[in-house]
Amino acid sequence: AQTVTQSQPEMSVQEAETVTLSCTYDTSESDYYLFWYKQPPSRQMILVIRQEAYKQQNATENRFSVNFQKAAKSFSLKISDSQLGDAAMYFCARLITTSGTYKYIFGTGTRLKVLA
Amino acid sequence: GAGVSQTPSNKVTEKGKYVELRCDPISGHTALYWYRQSLGQGPEFLIYFQGTGAADDSGLPNDRFFAVRPEGSVSTLKIQRTERGDSAVYLCASSPTTGEQFFGPGTRLTVL
Repeated sequence: AQTVTQSQPEMSVQEAETVTLSCTYDTSESDYYLFWYKQPPSRQMILVIRQEAYKQQNATENRFSVNFQKAAKSFSLKISDSQLGDAAMYFCARLITTSGTYKYIFGTGTRLKVLA
Repeated sequence: GAGVSQTPSNKVTEKGKYVELRCDPISGHTALYWYRQSLGQGPEFLIYFQGTGAADDSGLPNDRFFAVRPEGSVSTLKIQRTERGDSAVYLCASSPTTGEQFFGPGTRLTVL
């Protein structure tokens, strides 16, 4: 099955604190790509961070980092020093590249609230 | 440079009508994708174009949905005999080859 699961419908974090959003996925492939996207109320999907499965090192982009556990098929997003502008829906996604297709499978999302 | 644009931003129609949703990808991007996002859900894949041809249309829910990309740039998603269940945000994305996808702001379709 090609699934991506986000088990936290909603999370809250105090401004300047750290929060971790969870994501697990299903795959039989050994090499694949994982992504976290942010979707503010404007509906625009914005790439936050990406991870290539063959890379053992966890990806980092400024205040955003991932904890990629390949064996556990887990891909969590850590946001440090949370800011009010981080409030949005966050979607975890896996890129499917088999059988001549290229498409994302998305999770159901986590709504992040940042408290002042 | 300009990002992916989608028109209209919002579309309200009546049950049974025909609608067209337009996507202008980033210039030079050969791959184009359509997704549908229902309320409270993540986007779901509809169709993927590589150039002018649909390389994967397995996500189209039924034969009322059709998409074209005649010149390998702009794409139009067409929905015939709209139903209330078609109400959703329709997202378009493009990519230079087949890597990271860049999304447009979406079209919110409401079928009354």
